Amino acid sequence: GDSVTQMEGPVTLSEEAFLTINCTYTATGYPSLFWYVQYPGEGLQLLLKATKADDKGSNKGFEATYRKETTSFHLEKGSVQVSDSAVYFCALSPYYGGATNKLIFGTGTLLAVQP
Amino acid sequence: DAGVIQSPRHEVTEMGQEVTLRCKPISGHDYLFWYRQTMMRGLELLIYFNNNVPIDDSGMPEDRFSAKMPNASFSTLKIQPSEPRDSAVYFCASSPRATGELFFGEGSRLTVL
Repeated sequence: GDSVTQMEGPVTLSEEAFLTINCTYTATGYPSLFWYVQYPGEGLQLLLKATKADDKGSNKGFEATYRKETTSFHLEKGSVQVSDSAVYFCALSPYYGGATNKLIFGTGTLLAVQP
Repeated sequence: DAGVIQSPRHEVTEMGQEVTLRCKPISGHDYLFWYRQTMMRGLELLIYFNNNVPIDDSGMPEDRFSAKMPNASFSTLKIQPSEPRDSAVYFCASSPRATGELFFGEGSRLTVL
């Protein structure tokens, strides 16, 4: 079945360091891919998305490129801030001949940025 | 703009009691989702509705769980009887269309003693 695998955390970085959080997926058809972020005590928020191969999603300095050949959607940011500390979830939405809203989430990666 | 509103934010109850969690989706959103988050299993989709009709309830763990959406602005998730293993954060989310962009509430943290 469809699934998402993301790197385990926690990831601990110093402020202004480069961030990569790996995400790979298994899916039939042409899924859409997402990164969601969860700040402490809050619900998840959509960070960025990509709906087809080679699309790059970007938001708030974060970016991820939909790589169909490697079935990956790695999240990157050039310079992290303390305020980026949160749990990051990779997710996919299967495409069964039509768009769906049934998101399948990875296990989440905790990012801790130290000043 | 008001987001997805969930209540209660925290609930502590004893095993065997009935628990009802409530959700008000964003106005105009046609899709509503119930997710459960635990350390062991991460985020699990329990059920989702489209235009108040349940579309997929394959994630509902067992008959003790039930969900309803009597109208476009209200949904409930009920657990009866509750068990300690039901302890989790339950999230409600809504979406305006089938794009995978969900808007989550702040969650209801349930503790069953």
